[in-house]
Amino acid sequence: SAVISQKPSRDICQRGTSLTIQCQVDSQVTMMFWYRQQPGQSLTLIATANQGSEATYESGFVIDKFPISRPNLTFSTLTVSNMSPEDSSIYLCSATGLLSSGNTIYFGEGSWLTVV
Amino acid sequence: ELKVEQNPLFLSMQEGKNYTIYCNYSTTSDRLYWYRQDPGKSLESLFVLLSNGAVKQEGRLMASLDTKARLSTLHITAAVHDLSATYFCAVDYSNTGNQFYFGTGTSLTVIP
Repeated sequence: SAVISQKPSRDICQRGTSLTIQCQVDSQVTMMFWYRQQPGQSLTLIATANQGSEATYESGFVIDKFPISRPNLTFSTLTVSNMSPEDSSIYLCSATGLLSSGNTIYFGEGSWLTVV
Repeated sequence: ELKVEQNPLFLSMQEGKNYTIYCNYSTTSDRLYWYRQDPGKSLESLFVLLSNGAVKQEGRLMASLDTKARLSTLHITAAVHDLSATYFCAVDYSNTGNQFYFGTGTSLTVIP
C-alpha cells in the first residue's frame, strides 16, 4: 500500500493566520485530493489537486480560502487562509491511481488543526 | 443532488452478535468503498467493490454491492470489541476515480 505523509500532524493556529499543509506520497499517483472532516462529521471533498494546473474545487470551497498546489506527481500542499474557529477540522490528503493498488484510495494520517 | 446515506448512524451491539450497516446512494455508480476510522486516526481501506453483485469478505466483515438498488451492505458476524470504530462508505460518482463522496458514517461500539 502507498504511504502518504502529511505535515503538520497537529497545530494550534491563531485566528486570521494561514497555514500550509504538505502531503507527500511515496510513489507516483495519478490523482490527489484534499478532504475536510469536521469534528464528529463525515468527510467532505475540498478539491482535486491537478498537477501543473489549478485545482478543481467542489461547491462551497474557493481558491482564495484554500489555495492548493501540486508541482509534481507525488507532492501537494493545501493552505487554509485567514483562519477562523470554523476552520478547526482534520484535513486529509488522499491519492489514487497507484500501479500496485488497483482502485483503492489511500489517505494520509490527517492534519488536525485547531483555530483559537 | 448526490447523496450517500448510511444507517444506522450509531450502533451499539454485544460481542458475538451479528449486524448489518446499510449504505444507500442517490445516483448510479458501480464503484463503492468501505473504510474504517478509529478515534484520532485516519481512514483504513476495508473493501473496494467494483461491480453489481460484488461480495468481499475479510475476517468478520463482509461487504456487498447491489448497483440496481444503489445499496451496499457491511455485515458484521460475531462482533468483537476490536471492531469498535466508525465505518464509512464512499461512492465514486465519476467512474474515472476522481470524485468520491462519503456517507455519513456509522459509529459502532461493541460491548463485551
